[in-house]
Amino acid sequence: DAGVIQSPRHEVTEMGQEVTLRCKPISGHNSLFWYRQTMMRGLELLIYFNNNVPIDDSGMPEDRFSAKMPNASFSTLKIQPSEPRDSAVYFCASSFRGDYEQYFGPGTRLTVT
Amino acid sequence: DAKTTQPPSMDCAEGRAANLPCNHSTISGNEYVYWYRQIHSQGPQYIIHGLKNNETNEMASLIITEDRKSSTLILPHATLRDTAVYYCIVIAGNTGKLIFGQGTTLQVKP
Repeated sequence: DAGVIQSPRHEVTEMGQEVTLRCKPISGHNSLFWYRQTMMRGLELLIYFNNNVPIDDSGMPEDRFSAKMPNASFSTLKIQPSEPRDSAVYFCASSFRGDYEQYFGPGTRLTVT
Repeated sequence: DAKTTQPPSMDCAEGRAANLPCNHSTISGNEYVYWYRQIHSQGPQYIIHGLKNNETNEMASLIITEDRKSSTLILPHATLRDTAVYYCIVIAGNTGKLIFGQGTTLQVKP
């Protein structure tokens, strides 16, 4: 298996623009997690899905952030409009049945200018 | 979930065992101890987990004290590629929510 796949790996955008991050979980995993990592706040969970259904989105910072999982093999995290404080590395992870043994993707480094 | 305390940094000589401590004095009976690591510019990587008994896999060994108030992750023969931030996480239930602290930065030196 190729592992968790994220795209793009790097994204540079201007404030106010829409940003969409993409994730393909490991085949057979039915739980998917989005994390954000910054120097100030460390690694924090934004949202996670079980069987394509959002279970806990309490970590989503505000309404500018939205996440979807239209099928078992694809998820998106959208920021609209983006702000400089959204600059971070965004990781997607997947696991089997919400297990804590999670497999992380390589991350998307987002820079908002 | 129980809070964990880890030293901010440690050094280890290449080829020697790296012993990374974690204090979790408020751990509950149903809480597991999980270890992850994050190599620079990569996503976190699961290493090992345990409840009461010591555990070993191809990556590391996990030693949990009898009272479960602390644990030690052991990398038996550290290599330069083991240089990373190591996170000790105590978790219960099936929420799937991993809460990462600041971890221990392990520097393996030649």
